[in-house]
Amino acid sequence: RKEVEQDPGPFNVPEGATVAFNCTYSNSASQSFFWYRQDCRKEPKLLMSVYSSGNEDGRFTAQLNRASQYISLLIRDSKLSDSATYLCVALSSNTGKLIFGQGTTLQVKP
Amino acid sequence: DARVTQTPRHKVTEMGQEVTMRCQPILGHNTVFWYRQTMMQGLELLAYFRNRAPLDDSGMPKDRFSAEMPDATLATLKIQPSEPRDSAVYFCASGSGQGGRPQHFGDGTRLSIL
Repeated sequence: RKEVEQDPGPFNVPEGATVAFNCTYSNSASQSFFWYRQDCRKEPKLLMSVYSSGNEDGRFTAQLNRASQYISLLIRDSKLSDSATYLCVALSSNTGKLIFGQGTTLQVKP
Repeated sequence: DARVTQTPRHKVTEMGQEVTMRCQPILGHNTVFWYRQTMMQGLELLAYFRNRAPLDDSGMPKDRFSAEMPDATLATLKIQPSEPRDSAVYFCASGSGQGGRPQHFGDGTRLSIL
């Protein structure tokens, strides 16, 4: 079983739709969590950190449930430019290692 | 914006050849990571350094791969001899090493072994 698991998708949604991605992690020692975005043939880029209280950045909302070891990302009013792969990431504070999920592919269509 | 710099961006070579990939971490970052990404396996951590010291290279095939940090501004990943199954995108990332801080990735080296 992978340490961070995601549904690979693809998620095909129309512009303006709301879409949610889920992620689970198995290592309860993981302390910090992030969502990275990766465009085709590009490097992963930090999208947002995930805080226990939930956090929002514009159209993006991230939530963390430590009891269930579950992370989510909600994208509202999706744009064509949101099409990418979204990587769920857990960081071990002890080692500084990032553990990546396989990624969820989003395709937003006109 | 400070960036992680990787060279070369692309490399095509024949199997059996030595391949060296280089990475310049962001100035002031003390952790450096090497990842490999393929369609099948996703992002895999190969090795990482903190303050130039190797901390974990358990993800790296030891017989042909080696990673070093000769100084704080340069990390290298070598494959010798290279094999077709090494074809992948190799990313370097650096971080400040402080708890909870994310890493920043370079553009990657796209490696094709024929």
